[in-house]
Amino acid sequence: DQQVKQNSPSLSVQEGRISILNCDYTNSMFDYFLWYKKYPAEGPTFLISISSIKDKNEDGRFTVFLNKSAKHLSLHIVPSQPGDSAVYFCAASAGDSSGYALNFGKGTSLLVTP
Amino acid sequence: EPEVTQTPSHQVTQMGQEVILRCVPISNHLYFYWYRQILGQKVEFLVSFYNNEISEKSEIFDDQFSVERPDGSNFTLKIRSTKLEDSAMYFCASSASRYGYTFGSGTRLTVV
Repeated sequence: DQQVKQNSPSLSVQEGRISILNCDYTNSMFDYFLWYKKYPAEGPTFLISISSIKDKNEDGRFTVFLNKSAKHLSLHIVPSQPGDSAVYFCAASAGDSSGYALNFGKGTSLLVTP
Repeated sequence: EPEVTQTPSHQVTQMGQEVILRCVPISNHLYFYWYRQILGQKVEFLVSFYNNEISEKSEIFDDQFSVERPDGSNFTLKIRSTKLEDSAMYFCASSASRYGYTFGSGTRLTVV
């Protein structure tokens, strides 16, 4: 069952513009959300997270927005840079999870063109 | 910056053979995890380990899989009798709490 969905497998954005990556989830028990960036042949690298008690978290060029009623979150990258080209994974965990397991989406491949 | 180290980076094994994937988590972390990613698919949770025991496991983590922390620093994933469908990237991760996972670079397992 796909509890975390990233419906756009790929996104292409021009350098300097905003990249918006979207993620939807179905499990209302999820209370902590994360975005990871992944290059080929490397492990996922943590980017930014947000707790369900917030609706926005910002870190430099990266901002994550959470809309709990819609069970939707998004990652904004402004301005986008060619080095941001990678696969971005949305992940979520539930507070009642004993092992803090992360549920991942399938990823969105972002290409930032000069 | 502290890293999670995984060895080997690539392992080829024959179907039916046992494999052990090794990980050295970050030293002050208390939670340890294994995930896998089959080519072209999402990263999937396998198992989490805390206080020397499994705290959670997915339905993928059947009797063919086991984990161990044999010496206080290494964290291993054993697959007893590998199948073709076990071919994947296996990622180890560790965390000090539920906030702040660090993943290793992965072991690419190829079962032939």
